[in-house]
Amino acid sequence: NAGVTQTPKFRVLKTGQSMTLLCAQDMNHEYMYWYRQDPGMGLRLIHYSVGEGTTAKGEVPDGYNVSRLKKQNFLLGLESAAPSQTSVYFCASSRGGAVDEQFFGPGTRLTVL
Amino acid sequence: QQQVKQSPQSLIVQKGGIPIINCAYENTAFDYFPWYQQFPGKGPALLIAIRPDVSEKKEGRFTISFNKSAKQFSLHIMDSQPGDSATYFCAASTGTYKYIFGTGTRLKVLA
Repeated sequence: NAGVTQTPKFRVLKTGQSMTLLCAQDMNHEYMYWYRQDPGMGLRLIHYSVGEGTTAKGEVPDGYNVSRLKKQNFLLGLESAAPSQTSVYFCASSRGGAVDEQFFGPGTRLTVL
Repeated sequence: QQQVKQSPQSLIVQKGGIPIINCAYENTAFDYFPWYQQFPGKGPALLIAIRPDVSEKKEGRFTISFNKSAKQFSLHIMDSQPGDSATYFCAASTGTYKYIFGTGTRLKVLA
């Protein structure tokens, strides 16, 4: 039982490049979330999904897209990376929504030059 | 109104001390208040959580105190240990699938 896994762990991009971050969970959770963590700003919700095939915007969605084609996977895409997107990205999942425990992955550290 | 304000930003205590981390909110619709603990290089993990119908909750050495009228809640760590050194985040939710996190408190417990 791996819990929540994220790929890759580290990545360096040049401005304008694109990439996809993959999140996978093996707990059969309905809800999945993407957060970014920046110094002094805590965790901010980018996008979330309440089930396979659904996505919704969080607090800071601009510049990101997501897809949830399979229940166990939640992809975060950056179409044209900008230095402001340098951050640590965390994926999380939960069984039944905000009042259930959110289980977090180990994070992806992204640097955009 | 959606913010959760957390203080202090950082905290250093001696082993055995009782660090206290405070959070304040404005939105009275919040009805679930978890605390997450994050070690360096790891994702956050749920530590303890409280609903507003109780004023205190204890789990081991960790206690949440909740003051509904003041719209404040705090985390107390009894008999703190060097292994408690981590970043702590408070959060709040209205049950709409989303947490609003505080900005985090970096705690260091000296041996």
